[in-house]
Amino acid sequence: NAGVTQTPKFRVLKTGQSMTLLCAQDMNHEYMYWYRQDPGMGLRLIHYSVGEGTTAKGEVPDGYNVSRLKKQNFLLGLESAAPSQTSVYFCASSPTGGPLSVSYNEQFFGPGTRLTVL
Amino acid sequence: LAKTTQPISMDSYEGQEVNITCSHNNIATNDYITWYQQFPSQGPRFIIQGYKTKVTNEVASLFIPADRKSSTLSLPRVSLSDTAVYYCLVVASGAGSYQLTFGKGTKLSVIP
Repeated sequence: NAGVTQTPKFRVLKTGQSMTLLCAQDMNHEYMYWYRQDPGMGLRLIHYSVGEGTTAKGEVPDGYNVSRLKKQNFLLGLESAAPSQTSVYFCASSPTGGPLSVSYNEQFFGPGTRLTVL
Repeated sequence: LAKTTQPISMDSYEGQEVNITCSHNNIATNDYITWYQQFPSQGPRFIIQGYKTKVTNEVASLFIPADRKSSTLSLPRVSLSDTAVYYCLVVASGAGSYQLTFGKGTKLSVIP
């Protein structure tokens, strides 16, 4: 049981390049999330998904796209990377939660991807 | 959107009880309060969650007063391994929206 895994662990991009970050979970969780963490800013939600085939915007969605084609995977895409997207990206999943559920929300986080955009 | 405010840092000696308070003045009726712990170069790890009064597990206690405008994470008898950043999170849900607002975190340093 690997929990939540993220690929790659590190990446350096040039401005304007594109890339996809992959998140995978083997806990059969319905909900998945992408966050970015910047120094002094805490974690900010980028996008989330409440189930296979669904996605929704979080607090800071601009410049990112996501897809959840399979329940266990949640992809985060940067179409044209900018230096402002230099950050550490964390993926998380939870068995419960979501906008229609006032319930327990324990999120399991991956180890993070450190992205630098030059 | 319920915003949270925490102290930036705290120091404590080993063996002491540590209390970290989070302020969330505009918390809504359906919002839950959750605390996470994060070590350097790792993802956050869930500690405890509560809605009101007191919640206790094997790791910590969470105290929430009746007005729910603040909450206090209590760590009993801290050790050096408790040195980490602690985040207060308000989970706001309802009416088709979902907001996960992490505070900026409190860096706890445990001193031998």
